[in-house]
Amino acid sequence: SQTIHQWPATLVQPVGSPLSLECTVEGTSNPNLYWYRQAAGRGLQLLFYSVGIGQISSEVPQNLSASRPQDRQFILSSKKLLLSDSGFYLCAWSVGPRGTIYFGEGSWLTVV
Amino acid sequence: KNEVEQSPQNLTAQEGEFITINCSYSVGISALHWLQQHPGGGIVSLFMLSSGKKKHGRLIATINIQEKHSSLHITASHPRDSAVYICAVSGGGADGLTFGKGTHLIIQP
Repeated sequence: SQTIHQWPATLVQPVGSPLSLECTVEGTSNPNLYWYRQAAGRGLQLLFYSVGIGQISSEVPQNLSASRPQDRQFILSSKKLLLSDSGFYLCAWSVGPRGTIYFGEGSWLTVV
Repeated sequence: KNEVEQSPQNLTAQEGEFITINCSYSVGISALHWLQQHPGGGIVSLFMLSSGKKKHGRLIATINIQEKHSSLHITASHPRDSAVYICAVSGGGADGLTFGKGTHLIIQP
């Protein structure tokens, strides 16, 4: 069966420090992969999506970046965190753009 | 870009009540999703529908494509139904979903 793992679950980082959130999917091949962010009091916002290895599309310009080094691995990074980067980050996958979407457990990031 | 509006934003009801959450969107879609987010943050997909009606247990989801509107109903509500319910739409492109802001539901015993 397909599963998705995301870590770390909780992270407290100082302003200016780097960030790396990792997501892996099991049990499927060539999934569409997504990174979403949910800031306090706001809806989920698409940050990045990927339809294949090395293919990353960005929806919102910011100091975050994403990479897909392997078919089922999706990484969200930042070189220098800002206070406004605090929020709940969710990785998700689907089989093609029209399939059911499955979410990871999420990562709570607090930038202090 | 699709605009997704949900109502109400917050809803408190008594156990056993019939619950309705509404979602409207501005541009034609290929599919609409209803998601449930529990306090810990985890999200699960409840329904994906592109027409008509789907039922799963006490949950019913309907969609009217012409009116660009969907409803999620909960029959015989229970405190364990307390969660944030999120409507999301897909245009069929690779860029995933556009989300509503969610409806925070509390069912009191």
